[in-house]
Amino acid sequence: EPEVTQTPSHQVTQMGQEVILRCVPISNHLYFYWYRQILGQKVEFLVSFYNNEISEKSEIFDDQFSVERPDGSNFTLKIRSTKLEDSAMYFCASSDIQGAQPQHFGDGTRLSIL
Amino acid sequence: QQQVKQSPQSLIVQKGGISIINCAYENTAFDYFPWYQQFPGKGPALLIAIRPDVSEKKEGRFTISFNKSAKQFSLHIMDSQPGDSATYFCAASNDNYGQNFVFGPGTRLSVLP
Repeated sequence: EPEVTQTPSHQVTQMGQEVILRCVPISNHLYFYWYRQILGQKVEFLVSFYNNEISEKSEIFDDQFSVERPDGSNFTLKIRSTKLEDSAMYFCASSDIQGAQPQHFGDGTRLSIL
Repeated sequence: QQQVKQSPQSLIVQKGGISIINCAYENTAFDYFPWYQQFPGKGPALLIAIRPDVSEKKEGRFTISFNKSAKQFSLHIMDSQPGDSATYFCAASNDNYGQNFVFGPGTRLSVLP
């Protein structure tokens, strides 16, 4: 079964450094998402992306965050200047059609900010 | 209005028993309600989903019951197994609000052998 893959599985970064989290969505999917899960808490929406632009973003997704689809397969989340509170699991998801449809999640990247 | 409430926070069930997790929402515009299962170290995996035009959906041992007037929906796991031990999240979404999901806070289920 096709799956969403994320790299790295764990990223440790010093506060203030830039970090890029990478995702390879399912190949025929057109809608891409990033979610965040702080340890022990619920999954929170960050941003959705379609047709090479952001379609929706949450309050969490401030100017420190950006997303990009640099080629036909990768989807990245960049945090420009990391803060301690950015420590969380970051999940990428994708879906194949518009609207309220199943989203398929990767296994996440654990980001630890020191 | 975008919040999804979920209870209980944790649940312990004996093998073979029925696990019931409840969710409630406020936004009547929500029209898609999935349940996700998450094992430690893994991403959420879609378990089953329902739309408001039906009151119940069953897939194997998993059943969603949906009460549109009460704005509530629940997950029933019949014949619960130790392998079902995981965190379960309900979620809701609506086309008019984009494609993002609003997740409940999760229920940690432990099925005792």
